[in-house]
Amino acid sequence: GGIITQTPKFLIGQEGQKLTLKCQQNFNHDTMYWYRQDSGKGLRLIYYSITENDLQKGDLSEGYDASREKKSSFSLTVTSAQKNEMAVFLCASSVGGADTGQLYFGEGSKLTVL
Amino acid sequence: QQQVRQSPQSLTVWEGETAILNCSYENSAFDYFPWYQQFPGEGPALLIAIRSVSDKKEDGGFTIFFNKREKNLSLHIKDSQPGDSATYFCAAGDSNYQLIWGSGTKLIIKP
Repeated sequence: GGIITQTPKFLIGQEGQKLTLKCQQNFNHDTMYWYRQDSGKGLRLIYYSITENDLQKGDLSEGYDASREKKSSFSLTVTSAQKNEMAVFLCASSVGGADTGQLYFGEGSKLTVL
Repeated sequence: QQQVRQSPQSLTVWEGETAILNCSYENSAFDYFPWYQQFPGEGPALLIAIRSVSDKKEDGGFTIFFNKREKNLSLHIKDSQPGDSATYFCAAGDSNYQLIWGSGTKLIIKP
């Protein structure tokens, strides 16, 4: 089996700060995703990548940048943290597209902006 | 057109009962419907999934009933146990890489 590792697990930032979240997977999956989970809402796709150096915007990409420098890692940057923002960011990977099989998720990175 | 709706928002049932979680969608192009289970502090994990060519899928005590004409589906959890207490997400996908997620049903199983 494989594992998705997200770092950091908890991230506290200041308003306007640029914050970066990292994700590593050892499944050797081609596709990786970043989702945002807000309390009481479904998961919303921020960015996904279908191969190394590929980036595709999801519905929630504004205010975020992403980078897929190698197959096993996918990072997400909050370009300017919003005051009182609180959310969990989930990284996932899959063999192909999300509609063809299982997404494997990390445990999440919880962001708090003071 | 892209929404996936789940009901109820929260559900409490007694141990041993069947829990029924509902999901509806609007986009008739969706053809893949996974259900994910999420425990606190963890990421979601795939529980069971169905494609629109089927009207029923069973896996252990979990069954999906799918109605393509009505654009809805339900997840039945038979003989529910306290360990099944979690949040359940219905999602829908078509031929691209995106899944559209519902807002989840928080299920509590009382012993």
